[in-house]
Amino acid sequence: GAVVSQHPSRVICKSGTSVKIECRSLDFQATTMFWYRQFPKQSLMLMATSNEGSKATYEQGVEKDKFLINHASLTLSTLTVTSAHPEDSSFYICSARGQGNGSGNTIYFGEGSWLTVV
Amino acid sequence: GENVEQHPSTLSVQEGDSAVIKCTYSDSASNYFPWYKQELGKGPQLIIDIRSNVGEKKDQRIAVTLNKTAKHFSLHITETQPEDSAVYFCAASRGRDTGGFKTIFGAGTRLFVKA
Repeated sequence: GAVVSQHPSRVICKSGTSVKIECRSLDFQATTMFWYRQFPKQSLMLMATSNEGSKATYEQGVEKDKFLINHASLTLSTLTVTSAHPEDSSFYICSARGQGNGSGNTIYFGEGSWLTVV
Repeated sequence: GENVEQHPSTLSVQEGDSAVIKCTYSDSASNYFPWYKQELGKGPQLIIDIRSNVGEKKDQRIAVTLNKTAKHFSLHITETQPEDSAVYFCAASRGRDTGGFKTIFGAGTRLFVKA
């Protein structure tokens, strides 16, 4: 199947700093990428949807100024957690949807990034 | 709004037995139904999917069935093994021609396979 790479897999940052997480589709072009947050033993919570070259669409309750999403190319989207606080500590997962070749609906997930804010 | 209900939330089976996870969706425009397996600390991995033009699909020990009339789809794992233990998510998605892509996930099923 298609590969989505997420980096870093684990990151620890100090309160008040910003941290960037990258999501790359390695073998297909992703017109749409999604960012999720997952708390322990819970389902995926969609944070935002980003389409290449346009502003991300944020889900209700997600602060767009705190969680900056950039989707500058068809293979890369980034999530920047700004002015991080301990309550932002979580598992962040990206996913990407391919285009063409009959795989337009298929979503592939990255490996996830553990963020710990101390 | 549209939603996907997934049952059970937790499932415990003996090694070698079968496991069945069921999902119900509300969006009648959904035409693509993937299943994901998420192991602890990792991202979800696509394990099987089915499109609305077929009623059943099988891949080795895993099968998925779809009943579009009832808006039900199920994941069947036969001859379960301890390494099948994980959280499984179902999802329902509509295609490009039916109002734009939209994927909704179930809440997940935590499967325990006891050796």
